[in-house]
Amino acid sequence: DADVTQTPRNRITKTGKRIMLECSQTKGHDRMYWYRQDPGLGLRLIYYSFDVKDINKGEISDGYSVSRQAQAKFSLSLESAIPNQTALYFCATSEAAGGELFFGEGSRLTVL
Amino acid sequence: DAKTTQPPSMDCAEGRAANLPCNHSTISGNEYVYWYRQIHSQGPQYIIHGLKNNETNEMASLIITEDRKSSTLILPHATLRDTAVYYCIVRARNYGGATNKLIFGTGTLLAVQP
Repeated sequence: DADVTQTPRNRITKTGKRIMLECSQTKGHDRMYWYRQDPGLGLRLIYYSFDVKDINKGEISDGYSVSRQAQAKFSLSLESAIPNQTALYFCATSEAAGGELFFGEGSRLTVL
Repeated sequence: DAKTTQPPSMDCAEGRAANLPCNHSTISGNEYVYWYRQIHSQGPQYIIHGLKNNETNEMASLIITEDRKSSTLILPHATLRDTAVYYCIVRARNYGGATNKLIFGTGTLLAVQP
């Protein structure tokens, strides 16, 4: 089983709909991240959380919100999806003291 | 965090060494060099990181120049499965609760040819 699990893996939705992408991890890491990937643009950081009570905006947080329900769970929400939020979304974790990121397999979101 | 510059693409013959360059001329003293790779839309995978000494692990070697303004990731015997986008990232490794985010650029697409 994957250490970092994202659901759903694929989702097609319509403009204006609310969407939630979920991430859960079994690595016991305190730090969790949401990235977005668009073709030719690499990965861009949306939000990150250092522990359950800590939420921080990344490079491109507008139009997104997050919830850290527990150490192992970090959800990304699009309150009213728009077509330019069509992208591949990745969740990642890392240890509190720094170090490498461990990524999930990604959630491909299409907003029509 | 310092910015990095990588060639957009490279080719390598299967079985040969792949040498991927990265320029980070504005790197500061407390910043590490990290390498990740992403195989066809899968989640990025950590490869290696270093500060100023050369590093080697089971996946690759990292050579950092003495002035630390550039580095090279070496895959000693490239296979078809090493075809991926390779990202070079520079960031401070903060232990005091400061930002621990990694900023990815566009990377180098390494195509290993049979």
